[in-house]
Amino acid sequence: SQQGEEDPQALSIQEGENATMNCSYKTSINNLQWYRQNSGRGLVHLILIRSNEREKHSGRLRVTLDTSKKSSSLLITASRAADTASYFCATDALAGGGADGLTFGKGTHLIIQP
Amino acid sequence: DAGITQSPRHKVTETGTPVTLRCHQTENHRYMYWYRQDPGHGLRLIHYSYGVKDTDKGEVSDGYSVSRSKTEDFLLTLESATSSQTSVYFCAITPTQGKTEAFFGQGTRLTVV
Repeated sequence: SQQGEEDPQALSIQEGENATMNCSYKTSINNLQWYRQNSGRGLVHLILIRSNEREKHSGRLRVTLDTSKKSSSLLITASRAADTASYFCATDALAGGGADGLTFGKGTHLIIQP
Repeated sequence: DAGITQSPRHKVTETGTPVTLRCHQTENHRYMYWYRQDPGHGLRLIHYSYGVKDTDKGEVSDGYSVSRSKTEDFLLTLESATSSQTSVYFCAITPTQGKTEAFFGQGTRLTVV
C-alpha cells in the first residue's frame, strides 16, 4: 500500500514562480526523502529530512516535516524550465528498520511554463 | 552518477515467456531493490536484498523471483510473463539499512504482448 501521497497530482506554473508540493504519509517514519524524475529517466535524490528535524534547505529547495500531522512539503523557489519533472516523496518506515526499502507516493508532475 | 546499470533498457516479450532483468552496481552497496513504476501507482517494491543470497519480498512480489549470487548483481526474473507485468522496472541501491538516499538505475521498459 502507498505510504506517501503527494498533492497536487499535477502543477503548472510560470517560470520564476515558487512551486509547493505536499506529501502525507500513514505510519511513523525514520526519515522522509524527496526525489525528482525527469521523463524517461531514473529517480534522483533531492533531499532527506529526519524525523527529528522540522525544516531543511538545499539550494532552491526547502522541505518541511510535521510528524504530528504526518505531512511534508517541498518548496522550489524561483522555478526554472529545467525543474519540469515528477517529484516523489518517499518514507523509510520506522517499524521496518529501513532494510525493506522506501515507500513512494504517486508523485506530483510539475510543469514550468516559460 | 552512482555506478548502477540496468540491462536491458527495453524489452518486448510474449506472454508466457521467462524474462530476466539485470541490475549491476559498482558501488559495493549492501542493499539492492527492485521497483516497478506504473501510471497511477508510483513506485512499488517488488523484492529487495540485504546481502549475497539474502532476499525478501516486497509489496508486489507475486509472479517475480530474484537472485543475488554476488554483491554487484541483483537479478529479477519473471518466470512466465503476463501482460500485467508490462511496466518500467527500476533497480535501486543503498549503502546502509535505510536512513540514507537511494541511487536508482535508468530503468528497464518491459512490454509483454
